[in-house]
Amino acid sequence: AQSVTQLDSQVPVFEEAPVELRCNYSSSVSVYLFWYVQYPNQGLQLLLKYLSGSTLVESINGFEAEFNKSQTSFHLRKPSVHISDTAEYFCAVSDGASKIIFGSGTRLSIRP
Amino acid sequence: NAGVTQTPKFRILKIGQSMTLQCTQDMNHNYMYWYRQDPGMGLKLIYYSVGAGITDKGEVPNGYNVSRSTTEDFPLRLELAAPSQTSVYFCASSYEGPTYEQYFGPGTRLTVT
Repeated sequence: AQSVTQLDSQVPVFEEAPVELRCNYSSSVSVYLFWYVQYPNQGLQLLLKYLSGSTLVESINGFEAEFNKSQTSFHLRKPSVHISDTAEYFCAVSDGASKIIFGSGTRLSIRP
Repeated sequence: NAGVTQTPKFRILKIGQSMTLQCTQDMNHNYMYWYRQDPGMGLKLIYYSVGAGITDKGEVPNGYNVSRSTTEDFPLRLELAAPSQTSVYFCASSYEGPTYEQYFGPGTRLTVT
């Protein structure tokens, strides 16, 4: 069985500061890892994903995540956040079969 | 393309009533999913479908039913609504399996009183 744990339910940061949202997973098989973002009153949107190959994956809006197999982690980072990054972020894991397991979410709040 | 559409946006039900949440996608995706989102709990999978005529249970299927008669539509039926079913419901679809991006609808906010 797979599971995913997001270690922080809320992360407040100042604008232009760096941020890291932590995600750990457990799985007995090969995994595929995802970060989804949910802006207020909207559905989720894919931010980035790791399927294979390079362990560092990037999104178009400056976020990146690194797959660390030994630490079973897939933390999300951004070197400088903007007010528009205010949202809830969900880490998710799949074994490639039929479904994805989502974490409980991390609410990122940006202070000016 | 409209993507994934859900109706209604909001609904208030009395205990014991029934209703159907509608979900339609126009991307010709084979896979469709229903999730519920409760505060601080993330998303829990209710049911999913890998194609027309094929459905399977997710993590929290009790109290719900689904059908998939066409590729486009995946309605979720609530029978005998209970307060524990108060939640935000999201429908999603993807091209093939879960390694493909899931596209989410805007959600239906349901309150059962």
